[in-house]
Amino acid sequence: GAVVSQHPSWVICKSGTSVKIECRSLDFQATTMFWYRQFPKQSLMLMATSNEGSKATYEQGVEKDKFLINHASLTLSTLTVTSAHPEDSSFYICSAKLPGSNQPQHFGDGTRLSIL
Amino acid sequence: LAKTTQPISMDSYEGQEVNITCSHNNIATNDYITWYQQFPSQGPRFIIQGYKTKVTNEVASLFIPADRKSSTLSLPRVSLSDTAVYYCLVGATTSGTYKYIFGTGTRLKVLA
Repeated sequence: GAVVSQHPSWVICKSGTSVKIECRSLDFQATTMFWYRQFPKQSLMLMATSNEGSKATYEQGVEKDKFLINHASLTLSTLTVTSAHPEDSSFYICSAKLPGSNQPQHFGDGTRLSIL
Repeated sequence: LAKTTQPISMDSYEGQEVNITCSHNNIATNDYITWYQQFPSQGPRFIIQGYKTKVTNEVASLFIPADRKSSTLSLPRVSLSDTAVYYCLVGATTSGTYKYIFGTGTRLKVLA
């Protein structure tokens, strides 16, 4: 149980392109999903918290107009990297949490984004 | 700024017990401590979670002292396939703001 699917797993695109990443909870409903960014050999850094039916909460230093988050249903959150540039190249990982304050986060397998 | 720190790396041999400690001084009062395993180019996989004292499941044990400012993940009898990066994750409050913070990660290498 508690499976999170992330798509695509790998994307390469030209500078200036917008890229959408999907995060789905396959066997449970997630009122809260999280988006992380991970650079090589570094830890995961929380970018934003996505709440179903409301605006996402962004961490300090993360541009909300650059990283658009939509959590339109209890099983789907999307992250759109708008007008991507080479410095946006990274490993993006989502997680979803079962309802309840002591439930762990379950992670997708990440999306490796490479901007040329 | 709340920091959650771990040793950068550890080496072990197959069959040994491995203990990895995480320091989380700013852990929020009601928050749990969760440990994950990550292989290259994959998302973190849940290992174990606890609030206090000791928790054990089929793959690991988690030891949490009374002050909850640290925790220790114990992997019994590691194998080559346990070579991975291990992270702790806690909720912490800093400057009145609550957020989830991953530890710095410990790169475990299991040798034959």
